[in-house]
Amino acid sequence: DGGITQSPKYLFRKEGQNVTLSCEQNLNHDAMYWYRQDPGQGLRLIYYSQIVNDFQKGDIAEGYSVSREKKESFPLTVTSAQKNPTAFYLCASSVAGNQPQHFGDGTRLSIL
Amino acid sequence: GESVGLHLPTLSVQEGDNSIINCAYSNSASDYFIWYKQESGKGPQFIIDIRSNMDKRQGQRVTVLLNKTVKHLSLQIAATQPGDSAVYFCAEKDGGTSYGKLTFGQGTILTVHP
Repeated sequence: DGGITQSPKYLFRKEGQNVTLSCEQNLNHDAMYWYRQDPGQGLRLIYYSQIVNDFQKGDIAEGYSVSREKKESFPLTVTSAQKNPTAFYLCASSVAGNQPQHFGDGTRLSIL
Repeated sequence: GESVGLHLPTLSVQEGDNSIINCAYSNSASDYFIWYKQESGKGPQFIIDIRSNMDKRQGQRVTVLLNKTVKHLSLQIAATQPGDSAVYFCAEKDGGTSYGKLTFGQGTILTVHP
């Protein structure tokens, strides 16, 4: 079935450690996105990519990095510079223009 | 900055009733709106969308209404079922962007009592 796969489902980070969240899609979508969701809040955009080898900062990019080497993959690295990383991270993809974004089932990141 | 917000954070209904979830938006340049349903521990699931050149769109048991005059969006769910219990988010896209950058509201918790 086509869809978006995020892994791992749960992730724990130690102080000073970088961690990478995986996002893979087989929907043949050009655009991919990373959002952060905190309890009781909506989604906030971290980074997005409209095409391979190109990506842009969203509203809360500080402390995060991404790469887009393949159309299917858009991994997110939470760096040690992100001082409050505990959150639910959601990856999405879409075709261009006014089309809905389709989401994965998220990765929950916690601090040890 | 521009934002999307909800009038009611929680909504409780009886099974079989109709539900109405409201959303106010402030960006008059928004040209595309989406409703998502999010169940606990899962990603948002697309329900229905509407473009700014429309004022109503219907799906299976759901209807979205758009009032651009007062910048208001609503989601109507007919014959609400316990499986409809979830958090519902509205989202908007600025018409000045070519890609799908969305601004999300905070969400409304819908609880359906059997």
